[in-house]
Amino acid sequence: KQEVTQIPAALSVPEGENLVLNCSFTDSAIYNLQWFRQDPGKGLTSLLLIQSSQREQTSGRLNASLDKSSGRSTLYIAASQPGDSATYLCACENFNKFYFGSGTKLNVKP
Amino acid sequence: EPEVTQTPSHQVTQMGQEVILRCVPISNHLYFYWYRQILGQKVEFLVSFYNNEISEKSEIFDDQFSVERPDGSNFTLKIRSTKLEDSAMYFCASSPLVGYGYTFGSGTRLTVV
Repeated sequence: KQEVTQIPAALSVPEGENLVLNCSFTDSAIYNLQWFRQDPGKGLTSLLLIQSSQREQTSGRLNASLDKSSGRSTLYIAASQPGDSATYLCACENFNKFYFGSGTKLNVKP
Repeated sequence: EPEVTQTPSHQVTQMGQEVILRCVPISNHLYFYWYRQILGQKVEFLVSFYNNEISEKSEIFDDQFSVERPDGSNFTLKIRSTKLEDSAMYFCASSPLVGYGYTFGSGTRLTVV
């Protein structure tokens, strides 16, 4: 069974800092990996989808990479802003279902 | 941008009552899912649905749960006799094809009292 781990569990940074969130997974036979943002008590907003044949995806200040062989993905956030404060979830799709990590709770201080 | 719509956003029910959670997936998507997130825990898979039948279900999805796509647009999750431990945020998701990622709805917070 796929196990997804996210490190760190929480992160607090000053505004403007570049930061990296880490995700690791145990089964490399994934169809894709998706990063989500979750605000408190809210739904899951898709940030980036990396399909299994891809190495990275970029959207604005966000860049996600995927290394299937090592079972790792990173989400890079450039020039962080207070509005980036949320929980970031990593999820791997195996056999038509997603396995989620526990998330990294990010706080960006003004 | 197309959205997955879930109603209601919050439902409070008494233990033992039946609840139906409703979802309208993106219109040209073929795969539909329910996930749940108990407060403070990981998002976990409940069931996947394709071609008008369940394609996979987790061990959580026991006989108390059922899903239906009654009219070609709505996708519902029914819990027949709710328990306190069913209290969670329930998310509906849809996907055009396997491997193309999911679009999630904003969730229904179910509180069983």
